[in-house]
Amino acid sequence: DIQMTQSPSSLSASVGDRVTLTCRASQSISNHLNWYQQKPGKAPKLLIYGASVLQSGVPSRFSGSGSGTDFTLTISNLQRDDFATYYCQQSFNTIPFTFGPGTKVDIK
Amino acid sequence: QVQLLESGPGLVKPSETLSLTCTVSGGSIIDSSYFWAWIRQSPGEGLEWIGSVYHSGTVYYNPSLKSRITMSVDTSKNYFSLTLTSVTAADTAVYYCARRRAVVFPNWFDPWGQGTLVTVSS
Repeated sequence: DIQMTQSPSSLSASVGDRVTLTCRASQSISNHLNWYQQKPGKAPKLLIYGASVLQSGVPSRFSGSGSGTDFTLTISNLQRDDFATYYCQQSFNTIPFTFGPGTKVDIK
Repeated sequence: QVQLLESGPGLVKPSETLSLTCTVSGGSIIDSSYFWAWIRQSPGEGLEWIGSVYHSGTVYYNPSLKSRITMSVDTSKNYFSLTLTSVTAADTAVYYCARRRAVVFPNWFDPWGQGTLVTVSS
């Protein structure tokens, strides 16, 4: 299985900050990497697919980059609605698909 | 737009079988562009893909659960199902159903159902 790790596990930030979350795969996954946002009690919501393509309706302050094993999700001008947990997921090996453990972004 | 809704018992006894259904609305389960998936989330294990099923009945299972799971589709009622046998406390989780694209790339899970909490306890 491809193992996904994320760092940091949590971070505190203020409205208006720029934050960068990191995801690493245990082997190269090209750009087969998706990012999801999850709020408490809710299902994950797709933000970015293909490492850098914004899902329709997702604000442009979200951006993704990376290829191979190292990926980042950047949120510029952090808004109150962005405080949530973010997960990465690889779709390179489909059996099984695997997710990272998540990064929780909370209010400083 | 497509919406998914999980249903099933919230409490299952150890060693028994967990059965869940995901009803698809706003779209057809026989849409050839998509697979239908189950994913679970527990505090200890995070998000775990359980398996995916195609409208034809083709299934792909997580090897870690393969011996205990069965997924199926009812095209007449537009829903798909999951059964998990011989459950233990480790199977306690929120179970989500989701749609994924039936292509190699790009491939993602969207949308997701709201999730249903299943607790394994006597």
